[in-house]
Order: sequence, then structure tokens, then C-alpha cells
Amino acid sequence: KAGVTQTPRYLIKTRGQQVTLSCSPISGHRSVSWYQQTPGQGLQFLFEYFSETQRNKGNFPGRFSGRQFSNSRSEMNVSTLELGDSALYLCASSLRRTTDTQYFGPGTRLTVL
Amino acid sequence: KQEVTQIPAALSVPEGENLVLNCSFTDSAIYNLQWFRQDPGKGLTSLLLIQSSQREQTSGRLNASLDKSSGRSTLYIAASQPGDSATYLCAVRPVSGSRLTFGEGTQLTVNP
Repeated sequence: KAGVTQTPRYLIKTRGQQVTLSCSPISGHRSVSWYQQTPGQGLQFLFEYFSETQRNKGNFPGRFSGRQFSNSRSEMNVSTLELGDSALYLCASSLRRTTDTQYFGPGTRLTVL
Repeated sequence: KQEVTQIPAALSVPEGENLVLNCSFTDSAIYNLQWFRQDPGKGLTSLLLIQSSQREQTSGRLNASLDKSSGRSTLYIAASQPGDSATYLCAVRPVSGSRLTFGEGTQLTVNP
């Protein structure tokens, strides 16, 4: 079955703009989590959605937000982009919230100029 | 706050060698531990997941062990191949909640 898909794969934006990233989980998976990966900070948790509700949020400013739709697809939005937001944004899905393997998508590479 | 450390940060070995990657975590209240592989510029590929009640998991040439009480896990790779070259990450999931806390990874190079 198809894996986790993320669109777009690459994105270039300028400071001050906003961006929306999309994630489609594996069919049947209801939990979607987002992570930011940078060379300096490694992988950091952004938030998790389950059944259209945000269940957990990492230590990121309010410029970072997300949502989940009834078909479990998820989007994350970053407003007022800063240079430091340049990163690989990874989405992961799992069947349930706690016990299952998390499967990651290929990521969206965001570059802020 | 959970902290995950991976040693060594980088490892270079000749093809065919058996090797061990180490992962340690500070809070033993984990639900499970997962090992991932990441190729340059790519996403994460799940290798093995060990539930907190388990001691080890095996998949092909890979074997992962977990000692929850001491806060340690190891990933053993048998008969390494150049295709195993990648960054290996371990991540722990807490008892409550779903966020994974990752180590910084071990960059493995297997030389032909």
C-alpha cells in the first residue's frame, strides 16, 4: 500500500511569507505527527493530530499551526517565515497513537531566503 | 525532560564487518523505542520497533536490543554492506503521549 506522501517536496520562500505543507498518511492511519529537522537542532516534534484534534504540541512559536481533516490528511502552516525556519519538515503517520510504528514521509524541504 | 544520546556520532567500517550502534535515554518511562535509517536528503525509514516489555527485535541482518532499566538500546548490524551507509536514528516514545524524542544519529559509512 502507498506510504506517507508529502507535498510539495521542495519549497523556496522569502522572509515574511507564509507556507502550507500537506501530508497524506497511510490509508487507515489516524494519527499524524509533524517534525522539523535542522542540522543544528536535529529532529524536533511540532505537533500531533488524531481524529481531527491536536493532541500534543511541541515547543514552537504560534506561527506554526496545523490541522487534520476528516480523511486524516493533515496540513501545517507557518506564517511570517524567518530564515531559521529553513528545514526539512517530516510528517509521520501511525495506526493508533501510542503503540504502533510511526511511518515517515519523504519530507518537504523548505528554504527561506 | 527526556534526552537521547547516540554513540558514536560517526562510524566508518569495511564491508563485511559486524557493528553495534548505541542509544541511551535518560527517562526509562518509555512506551517503545524505534530505530530509523535516513539516507541523505530523504525521510526516515523505520527499521525496528521494540515495545518496552520486549528485550529485542530482529529483522534480517538487524537486531535491536532494549534494556529499559539502564536506559540503553543497541542496534547490531551483521555483515555490513555498502548499501547500509546512512544515518541511523533511535527515538523513544513516552508512556503518556505520542511524541518521539530522537537522538542525533550515527552516520555510518561502509566501505567496499
